[in-house]
Amino acid sequence: DAKTTQPPSMDCAEGRAANLPCNHSTISGNEYVYWYRQIHSQGPQYIIHGLKNNETNEMASLIITEDRKSSTLILPHATLRDTAVYYCIVRVAVSGFQKLVFGTGTRLLVSP
Amino acid sequence: GAVVSQHPSWVICKSGTSVKIECRSLDFQATTMFWYRQFPKQSLMLMATSNEGSKATYEQGVEKDKFLINHASLTLSTLTVTSAHPEDSSFYICSAPAGTSGIRPSYNEQFFGPGTRLTVL
Repeated sequence: DAKTTQPPSMDCAEGRAANLPCNHSTISGNEYVYWYRQIHSQGPQYIIHGLKNNETNEMASLIITEDRKSSTLILPHATLRDTAVYYCIVRVAVSGFQKLVFGTGTRLLVSP
Repeated sequence: GAVVSQHPSWVICKSGTSVKIECRSLDFQATTMFWYRQFPKQSLMLMATSNEGSKATYEQGVEKDKFLINHASLTLSTLTVTSAHPEDSSFYICSAPAGTSGIRPSYNEQFFGPGTRLTVL
């Protein structure tokens, strides 16, 4: 299983872009990069995922390097409600079932 | 998006009793559901994969006789913590991948329940 490495914590000012990095140097060719976030005492929330192309949705953008060994989640205009733990996950497929293995994540604190 | 619910949202029980936690997919069918456990200030740890109509698959180190999983229908999985002890106090979260109504689940996003906080006295 490919492992991910994220900084334990980051700070961001409200209204500014939050750029959350993730290293996944052992990712294999058919593994996707997923991002989830968990607001305190809630279940995780899906944000975005990608294989090799950059992706954007209403929540965030995902930039994946050409060698796929790292990626960056971008929240373009962070708000206080974006304070959460952000998990970068490389999806593991076992026997046809989807399985997500969570690392330690990055605790993002958005301040006024 | 798809909605997953859990019941109860929190429960307090005495040591030695059993507690059942329900996980329901409200607007989609799920042949597979996952159960996670999360201790304070730690990440989610996958406990087991719940399979509709068959036995659950447990992760290494998780006692299957203590954490009983039943996936009786395409929308309901239950986790029963048997003979609960204080060290079982944790936040239990279930999830289900959307698009798992067929034999071969598609690789779509996974939807998580709101979690159940268990406190064993």
